[in-house]
Amino acid sequence: QKEVEQNSGPLSVPEGAIASLNCTYSDRVSQSFFWYRQYSGKSPELIMSIYSNGDKEDGRFTAQLNKASQYVSLLIRDSQPSDSATYLCAVITRAGTYKYIFGTGTRLKVLA
Amino acid sequence: DADVTQTPRNRITKTGKRIMLECSQTKGHDRMYWYRQDPGLGLRLIYYSFDVKDINKGEISDGYSVSRQAQAKFSLSLESAIPNQTALYFCATSDPRTSEQFFGPGTRLTVL
Repeated sequence: QKEVEQNSGPLSVPEGAIASLNCTYSDRVSQSFFWYRQYSGKSPELIMSIYSNGDKEDGRFTAQLNKASQYVSLLIRDSQPSDSATYLCAVITRAGTYKYIFGTGTRLKVLA
Repeated sequence: DADVTQTPRNRITKTGKRIMLECSQTKGHDRMYWYRQDPGLGLRLIYYSFDVKDINKGEISDGYSVSRQAQAKFSLSLESAIPNQTALYFCATSDPRTSEQFFGPGTRLTVL
C-alpha cells in the first residue's frame, strides 16, 4: 500500500462545476496535510494546508479532513479552465522518522 | 525576485560526470529540501536539512550528496551521473510553524 494515494485521473469537469479531488493516507499518526497545484513543467505551489478534522475554506477551495477514515479531499467550486493542472496531496508523518510524502497527483481538466 | 531560486534551470551532461545543482532562498527558512520528480512517480525526497548543521537522507539518497553552505544555500551533487538520474529536480523550503513548502522553479537534468 502506498503511503499517500491519489487517483491519477484525468478528472474532467465542465466549467463552473465543482471538482472533487481525493487523497488517502496509510499512517494513522499523520498530523499535517497539504494540497499543492502543479501546472505542466512548473513547480508545485501551495493551495491549502489542514491540520484538524473538518472543513477549511479559502476562496473557491475547500479542504476536508477525516482522520478516522484517513482521507483528505479538495473541492474546487466554480471550476475554471485555469484550474486545469495536477493536484498533489502531501502528508507529514512522524511514525519513526520525519517524512513529508507526496501523492503522485490527480490531473484535473476543466472543459470550457 | 523569486524567493527560491535554482541554478542551472536546464543541464545536459554525460554519464560519469560530476554535477552540482544549487539552490538559494530569501525566505529566511531554516528548513530546505531536495526532490526529484519523474513521470508516474511523483515527487520523491532526496535529502533535507533543518538547519546548517543538520543533514538527513530522504527516501532516494543513493547516488546523491548535499551541502548546506549557509541558511540560504543548499546544494545537491551527483558525484558520477547516470542516465536514470535524468529527472526534474526541485529545491524547497518550509515554514517551521506550518510545514508549508515553497518550491524553486526546478532544474531539468538530462544524463546521456
